[in-house]
Amino acid sequence: EAGVTQSPTHLIKTRGQQATLRCSPISGHTSVYWYQQALGLGLQFLLWYDEGEERNRGNFPPRFSGRQFPNYSSELNVNALELEDSALYLCASSSTGDTQYFGPGTRLTVL
Amino acid sequence: GENVEQHPSTLSVQEGDSAVIKCTYSDSASNYFPWYKQELGKRPQLIIDIRSNVGEKKDQRIAVTLNKTAKHFSLHITETQPEDSAVYFCAASMGDDMRFGAGTRLTVKP
Repeated sequence: EAGVTQSPTHLIKTRGQQATLRCSPISGHTSVYWYQQALGLGLQFLLWYDEGEERNRGNFPPRFSGRQFPNYSSELNVNALELEDSALYLCASSSTGDTQYFGPGTRLTVL
Repeated sequence: GENVEQHPSTLSVQEGDSAVIKCTYSDSASNYFPWYKQELGKRPQLIIDIRSNVGEKKDQRIAVTLNKTAKHFSLHITETQPEDSAVYFCAASMGDDMRFGAGTRLTVKP
């Protein structure tokens, strides 16, 4: 069984640009979660999608947004990038009410 | 919403000693408590989990205990080895809404 996949592995942008990160969940999982992990810090909850709907979002500004597609894959968009957006962005998927399995992450660097 | 506190933030032990990491949660409705291990540069990986109808679970050198009354749960690692060095995260969830602790950086000195 394939695990959660994310692309790209690394992404370098400059301030003010937009970034798009992608995630494919484990087959059969309908929930996708996005987390931000700044260097050496914990997992900050960003967004939760299930069955194509945004179910919850963390304490992040509206320039962090996303969507979930009919095949349950998901996109995270970050607009008007700021230097402090540099972090590892992790995606996780789960079946309803069960364990979250993480992808390898996308390392976003904002210059 | 759920709030999870994790202690200590850093822990250093000698190889062969035991390590204990503790977490508390705020929502008594939480019923699922996983623990993740994140090695440097890698993704968090589930190492053990426990559900609210169980008080203790063990898997080789790793065990988790849950006290629902006090709303706290702990990870116990016995006979620690250098490869146990990593950041450990606890989490608590009810349904799909999972909240993570801030993490504990465990260092096992050979």
